[in-house]
Amino acid sequence: KQEVTQIPAALSVPEGENLVLNCSFTDSAIYNLQWFRQDPGKGLTSLLLIQSSQREQTSGRLNASLDKSSGRSTLYIAASQPGDSATYLCAVSLKYSGGGADGLTFGKGTHLIIQP
Amino acid sequence: DAGVTQSPTHLIKTRGQQVTLRCSPKSGHDTVSWYQQALGQGPQFIFQYYEEEERQRGNFPDRFSGHQFPNYSSELNVNALLLGDSALYLCASSLLGQTSFYGYTFGSGTRLTVV
Repeated sequence: KQEVTQIPAALSVPEGENLVLNCSFTDSAIYNLQWFRQDPGKGLTSLLLIQSSQREQTSGRLNASLDKSSGRSTLYIAASQPGDSATYLCAVSLKYSGGGADGLTFGKGTHLIIQP
Repeated sequence: DAGVTQSPTHLIKTRGQQVTLRCSPKSGHDTVSWYQQALGQGPQFIFQYYEEEERQRGNFPDRFSGHQFPNYSSELNVNALLLGDSALYLCASSLLGQTSFYGYTFGSGTRLTVV
């Protein structure tokens, strides 16, 4: 059974700092990995999707890396801003035998607070 | 381009009752998945529908059932509600059968409270 762990569970840093969120998964045969952002009481916003054949993806101030062999991914946020405050969720899927992606397995998330 | 829409946004039900939640996928998507998110936890996969059939199911009891319609929209039904069913229910859509997978798009969720 796939398990996803996110470290740290919570993080509070001053505005402007660069930071790294960690995600690890137990089954390295993933199909893809997706990072999401969730604001309190809201749905999920997709940030970055990394296919199993890729090593990293970038979008603006965000960079996500994937190391399948070690079962790890990191989300790097550059020059953090108060608007980045949210819960960040990592999710992986295996390849479904009938084709396409399996249902997602999520970590519990990292609750991030950026202090002004 | 409309994203994933869910209704209602909030719902209060009594133990033992039945509830139906609705989801319209993102335009161009053909697959709908449902997730349950308890407070402080990551979402848990309930099931996925494709071509009007349940394609895959997570570790949830038969009280949880679903349906997908020809227009790809979907319903989640929960019977004999328990207090522990109180959660945020998220719908996600995707496109199956493409060469590259472009990920899941999530809706804003339905907050279900069972009293």
